Amino acid sequence: NAGVTQTPKFQVLKTGQSMTLQCAQDMNHNSMYWYRQDPGMGLRLIYYSASEGTTDKGEVPNGYNVSRLNKREFSLRLESAAPSQTSVYFCASGLRGYNEQFFGPGTRLTVL
Amino acid sequence: ILNVEQSPQSLHVQEGDSTNFTCSFPSSNFYALHWYRWETAKSPEALFVMTLNGDEKKKGRISATLNTKEGYSYLYIKGSQPEDSATYLCAFRNSGNTPLVFGKGTRLSVIA
Repeated sequence: NAGVTQTPKFQVLKTGQSMTLQCAQDMNHNSMYWYRQDPGMGLRLIYYSASEGTTDKGEVPNGYNVSRLNKREFSLRLESAAPSQTSVYFCASGLRGYNEQFFGPGTRLTVL
Repeated sequence: ILNVEQSPQSLHVQEGDSTNFTCSFPSSNFYALHWYRWETAKSPEALFVMTLNGDEKKKGRISATLNTKEGYSYLYIKGSQPEDSATYLCAFRNSGNTPLVFGKGTRLSVIA
């Protein structure tokens, strides 16, 4: 079991460039999440997918789009990167109800 | 927007000291309260999922209590060790289908 995997681990972009962060889980979880972590801000939810075929905005969705490709995969796209999107991005997955979430290793993104 | 508050923001203790932190959350529509441990350069890992008022959970030297009526949870660490140094996050959920709302965390440093 690989758990939750994310690619890439590091990325540097120039302002205006686009990229997609990939996330996959092999635990047969219904729900998947994208968070960003900034100093002093904790984890903030960008988008989530409660089940395959559905996506919903979280606390900070502006500038991002997501795709729940299938039950395993949930990608996060930055169409036109901005320096304010410099952050560490974590993907997570879990079952509904009382169950815990499992986090990927994170992607450190710098936008110049 | 649900508000989850953690205090203190950071804490420095000597090895062998016992310590505790607080998580405050809305006391209405409670479903579950999670605690996560987050070491630097790693991903958050679940410590406890607490669901009932009065719950007490324990894992080694770490324990947690829950008061849903007044909207708070305490995390206790007995005899702190340098390897306990991490950020401790709490997260609140008001239903089985909604995402977790995370606090900003308490950063613990244990000095040998």
